[in-house]
Amino acid sequence: NAGVTQTPKFQVLKTGQSMTLQCAQDMNHEYMSWYRQDPGMGLRLIHYSVGAGITDQGEVPNGYNVSRSTTEDFPLRLLSAAPSQTSVYFCASSYSRGEQFFGPGTRLTVL
Amino acid sequence: ILNVEQSPQSLHVQEGDSTNFTCSFPSSNFYALHWYRWETAKSPEALFVMTLNGDEKKKGRISATLNTKEGYSYLYIKGSQPEDSATYLCAFCTSGTYKYIFGTGTRLKVLA
Repeated sequence: NAGVTQTPKFQVLKTGQSMTLQCAQDMNHEYMSWYRQDPGMGLRLIHYSVGAGITDQGEVPNGYNVSRSTTEDFPLRLLSAAPSQTSVYFCASSYSRGEQFFGPGTRLTVL
Repeated sequence: ILNVEQSPQSLHVQEGDSTNFTCSFPSSNFYALHWYRWETAKSPEALFVMTLNGDEKKKGRISATLNTKEGYSYLYIKGSQPEDSATYLCAFCTSGTYKYIFGTGTRLKVLA
């Protein structure tokens, strides 16, 4: 079991560029979520999904899109990167509302 | 907007000391409260999932209690060791949603 995997580990973007952060899990979890971690702010929920084809917004969804076409994958798209999106991004999955398993994180810098 | 508060923000204790932290959350529409341990340069890992008022969970030297009526949970560490140094996060979920709202964490440093 690979658990939750995220790619890339590091990324540098210029303002206005777009990119997709990949997240995959092999535990057949229906619940997946994306968080961002900023100093002093803890983990803030961006978007989440309760199954293939079902997504919803979290606390800080602006500037991000998600889709869930399969149980395994939950990519996060940055439409037009801004310096305020510089952060560490974590993907997590769980069975229903049980304990969440986190990926290793993606460190994103937007110049 | 749901607010989950943790206190203290940070804590330094000596090896062997016992310590505890607090997580406060809205007392209405409770579904679950999770505790996670987050070591530097790693990902958060679940310690406890708590769902019932009065729940008490234990894992080794770490234990947690839950009071859903008044909206708080305590995490206790008995006989702290340097390897307990980490940030401890709580996350709250209301019934009817799948949103987990995290507190900002308590950063624990155990001095040898």
